[in-house]
Amino acid sequence: DIVMTQTPLSLSVTPGQPASMSCKSSQSLLHSDGKTYLYWYLQKPGQPPQLLIYELSNRFSGVPERFSGSGSGTDFTLKISRVEAEDVGVYYCMQSIQLPPTFGQGTKVDIK
Amino acid sequence: EVQLVESGGGLVQSGRSLRLSCTASGFTFGDYALSWVRQAPGKGLEWVGFIRSKAYGGTTEIAASVRGRFTISRDDSKRTAYLQMNSLKVEDTAVYYCTRDQLYWGQGTLVTVSS
Repeated sequence: DIVMTQTPLSLSVTPGQPASMSCKSSQSLLHSDGKTYLYWYLQKPGQPPQLLIYELSNRFSGVPERFSGSGSGTDFTLKISRVEAEDVGVYYCMQSIQLPPTFGQGTKVDIK
Repeated sequence: EVQLVESGGGLVQSGRSLRLSCTASGFTFGDYALSWVRQAPGKGLEWVGFIRSKAYGGTTEIAASVRGRFTISRDDSKRTAYLQMNSLKVEDTAVYYCTRDQLYWGQGTLVTVSS
C-alpha cells in the first residue's frame, strides 16, 4: 500500500496569516494519463470530510480561492493564503492512483 | 445536488452482523462507483471498499483488513449501495461514510461493536 505522511501533525495559525502543510507519498502519484491522483480534505469537528482539492491542484466546487494545492511526484503542499476562523479542523491528503486508496494521518489546524 | 445518506448503524455485539445502506440522489446512480470509508473514534480515515458501476462489471474491491467479513452490493433501481458486515469485531467500531468518487460524502452512520 502507498503510505501517505503528513507534516506537521498540528498547526496553530493566526487569522489573516498564511499557512501551509505537507504530504509525502511513498510512491509517485503521477499517472500515465498525466494526472496526479492527490486529494486534500478538511474535516471540521463533527462533520464528514469535505473535498478541497482534487487531482493535485483543482479546487472543488465552492472552495474558496485562498486554498491551493501544489507539488509533484511524491511531495505535495496545501496552502491557505489567509487563514480564516472557519478553516479550523483536520486536513487529510489522500491518494487514489493505486488500490487501496490511502489517507495521511491528518494535520490538525487551530487558531491562535 | 448530489446527496448521499447512510443508514443502518447502531449498537451490535461482537460476532454479529449489520447491513448499512447508502441512498443517493442528485445524479445518475447507476453510472458511478460507490465507496465506503470508515473513521474510528478519534482516529483517521480508512478506506473500506467500493463497488463499480454495472458498466464496469459491478465488481467490488475490499480492504484487506475486512476482506472475508465485509461485502458491498448495490441496487440501482433503489439508488442504494449496501455494506454487509459480518463477524463484527470491537475494532470495527467507527463512523461509516459512503462516498461517490471520494468527491461527495454522506454524513456517516455510527457503528458501535460491543464485547
